[in-house]
Amino acid sequence: DTGVSQNPRHKITKRGQNVTFRCDPISEHNRLYWYRQTLGQGPEFLTYFQNEAQLEKSRLLSDRFSAERPKGSFSTLEIQRTEQGDSAMYLCASSPPRGGSGKTQYFGPGTRLLVL
Amino acid sequence: KNEVEQSPQNLTAQEGEFITINCSYSVGISALHWLQQHPGGGIVSLFMLSSGKKKHGRLIATINIQEKHSSLHITASHPRDSAVYICAVATGNQFYFGTGTSLTVIP
Repeated sequence: DTGVSQNPRHKITKRGQNVTFRCDPISEHNRLYWYRQTLGQGPEFLTYFQNEAQLEKSRLLSDRFSAERPKGSFSTLEIQRTEQGDSAMYLCASSPPRGGSGKTQYFGPGTRLLVL
Repeated sequence: KNEVEQSPQNLTAQEGEFITINCSYSVGISALHWLQQHPGGGIVSLFMLSSGKKKHGRLIATINIQEKHSSLHITASHPRDSAVYICAVATGNQFYFGTGTSLTVIP
């Protein structure tokens, strides 16, 4: 399977714990995006990487959230001291290098987080 | 006010009907995407367009840049078209999403 993969697919944690999610984009894609989606809402942009550089970060991303893409391939999203309001689907997407920002994105299956 | 507004929020149609979903946006964009999200969360990109019209099978997407409006049409709708359809716009390095239109096509 050469699509975008995310792990884990589901995570249940207690409030206050730290969690880390991983995204493996399509191999030749240099752009990687993280989104958050709550029930009944469209996805919300969190952050964007071009290769290993984090070029954009939403105001939604509090200081408890950090994302990395150390080698320009896979990315991790860490949430520290989780809160119940962090419960959501966390989506990763990647897109190929040609063209401007309006390129077709390929989405992963998401990681569904539940904070108890 | 959201940067992207979709209508209707929910839509139920009989199999075979022609369906239109609308998207209006308030920001300058480089492109507009129509996405399909099935139960369980998987998202598939249907169209990316910056002008005019695109067609893929029974799906047609149009965009009017001056009016900041796009429509997604489904001809001869089928129960397998049942999904949430999301409009997203690209501006700079960010994407803004609508809340989606939940479509149910009844046999």
